[in-house]
Amino acid sequence: NAGVTQTPKFQVLKTGQSMTLQCAQDMNHNSMYWYRQDPGMGLRLIYYSASEGTTDKGEVPNGYNVSRLNKREFSLRLESAAPSQTSVYFCASSPGVLAGPSSYNEQFFGPGTRLTVL
Amino acid sequence: AQKITQTQPGMFVQEKEAVTLDCTYDTSDPSYGLFWYKQPSSGEMIFLIYQGSYDQQNATEGRYSLNFQKARKSANLVISASQLGDSAMYFCAMRDGTGRRALTFGSGTRLQVQP
Repeated sequence: NAGVTQTPKFQVLKTGQSMTLQCAQDMNHNSMYWYRQDPGMGLRLIYYSASEGTTDKGEVPNGYNVSRLNKREFSLRLESAAPSQTSVYFCASSPGVLAGPSSYNEQFFGPGTRLTVL
Repeated sequence: AQKITQTQPGMFVQEKEAVTLDCTYDTSDPSYGLFWYKQPSSGEMIFLIYQGSYDQQNATEGRYSLNFQKARKSANLVISASQLGDSAMYFCAMRDGTGRRALTFGSGTRLQVQP
């Protein structure tokens, strides 16, 4: 049982390059999330997917796109990377609201991707 | 909008002593959940403890307990009998009561346990 996996672990890009961060979970969770963590700060929500086939913007969506490929996978794409997108990116999953109101919806986090944009 | 405030950027504690990490929150949702996560230097996010807004008792998980004062909108984490391995960043987070169920994080407290 791997939980939440992310690839790659590290990435260096040049300004203007594109890339996709991959995330997969094997817990049959409905909801998945992408957060970014800048130095000295907490995590901020980029995009989320409440269930398969739906995605919506979070707090800091500019410069990113997402795809909920199926229930397991949720990818984050940077179309034209900028130095301001240098950060650590975390994917997370949770049972979600579809699991019922009594579910406290602990979020399980992947190990993170450390992205540097030069 | 929801907000989490952690006013202690850094804390020191002697090994085997107890320490309290402060967290205050602001929300207009009647239903919400409060989480504490630990982030060691290796970077992963480790879930510690959860408190629901309607829970009558303070949450406890081993050496971790949550001092939940709803009227004051505070959810402080208490770590008893600190260990060297407790040295890490600690984040307080709040889950909103909407269908999004995403987390809003505070800026964190860096705890250093001294031998």
